[in-house]
Amino acid sequence: GESVGLHLPTLSVQEGDNSIINCAYSNSASDYFIWYKQESGKGPQFIIDIRSNMDKRQGQRVTVLLNKTVKHLSLQIAATQPGDSAVYFCAENLSTGNQFYFGTGTSLTVIP
Amino acid sequence: DVKVTQSSRYLVKRTGEKVFLECVQDMDHENMFWYRQDPGLGLRLIYFSYDVKMKEKGDIPEGYSVSREKKERFSLILESASTNQTSMYLCASSSLARALFFGSGTQLSVL
Repeated sequence: GESVGLHLPTLSVQEGDNSIINCAYSNSASDYFIWYKQESGKGPQFIIDIRSNMDKRQGQRVTVLLNKTVKHLSLQIAATQPGDSAVYFCAENLSTGNQFYFGTGTSLTVIP
Repeated sequence: DVKVTQSSRYLVKRTGEKVFLECVQDMDHENMFWYRQDPGLGLRLIYFSYDVKMKEKGDIPEGYSVSREKKERFSLILESASTNQTSMYLCASSSLARALFFGSGTQLSVL
């Protein structure tokens, strides 16, 4: 089956710095991607999505970049805050199916 | 805002008990999903449903069944709970536009 992987299992950043979380996907047919934030003991929270006809999408303090050539997805968080500390993971989906495939996550720790 | 509501945040059950986990979504989404999440294993799909009374097996359906009698409600049933079913259970729903939204999860402990 498809695999979605994250390059780094943990990431520590200083408060106020920018964070970059990476994700590699293996299926070039995937055409829809989502980033989630999951705090301890809670369900995943939808952050931002992007379709394969786009290279970049911006939200509030977050930007997702999609590089289809190397099958790479990244989430950039600007001015990282302590409340951003959580596990972040990506998900991919193919238009031909209902299933999503998830990475195992990167744990982001923001140092005050 | 999309809301996916799971009926319980924490459940403690005994081995052999029948367990019902309920999930309701308020956005008229066609698709609903049940996942379990375990440390180091990530999210694994148990079952999903793309319409009322329709269901499809996911990656790990053994020991589980589901019911979708109404569009907004998707139930996960553990016919005879076992200790290896101790896990965080997550319900999710998505529209045809595919954005997938999760509930807050049910942490199930089977003793």
